[in-house]
Amino acid sequence: DSGVTQTPKHLITATGQRVTLRCSPRSGDLSVYWYQQSLDQGLQFLIQYYNGEERAKGNILERFSAQQFPDLHSELNLSSLELGDSALYFCASSVDSLNEAFFGQGTRLTVV
Amino acid sequence: SQQGEEDPQALSIQEGENATMNCSYKTSINNLQWYRQNSGRGLVHLILIRSNEREKHSGRLRVTLDTSKKSSSLLITASRAADTASYFCFMADSWGKLQFGAGTQVVVTP
Repeated sequence: DSGVTQTPKHLITATGQRVTLRCSPRSGDLSVYWYQQSLDQGLQFLIQYYNGEERAKGNILERFSAQQFPDLHSELNLSSLELGDSALYFCASSVDSLNEAFFGQGTRLTVV
Repeated sequence: SQQGEEDPQALSIQEGENATMNCSYKTSINNLQWYRQNSGRGLVHLILIRSNEREKHSGRLRVTLDTSKKSSSLLITASRAADTASYFCFMADSWGKLQFGAGTQVVVTP
């Protein structure tokens, strides 16, 4: 158990819908990262937050947004879902960007 | 942000053999981390090596880092069937931004 909790574990939803994925980082970790992993595109970095502020942005679509709350948990919002958004979404946390990052088990999103 | 490259893409070995995979990157880094991912599951942190370190060991794992060549290698000795997984390298630069490779798929057959 990495100490990073992601909910839900599985999510099945229809195209056009909006979902929110939640991540609780390890206690004491200030950095949160979001990744998408799909069969066609492999692992993609989406976005990173540090202590509530956006630190780095990757291949995150405009339909996607994220935030990190004062209690350091983070949410990834995916809207106007398309079939191609079906993927595993991982959250990772670390004390800061320069130390080990620990990954959650992921949320498997299936868009039908 | 996928600016690292891993080689080989896939590796098939028998139990007891050693597995070596390499990771190359393009910009200066602060540290490099190796992760393992079993099929469809989360990434598990294996080892972190900092830019001022050249070699690090953890159990059957040995990681080297050559900053002049911008490359790292992960060696798994005496492999086991349970080592079957994908292995990723992640690199943090001085500003904390992460790069990573596409992963090496390792299959260990009994």
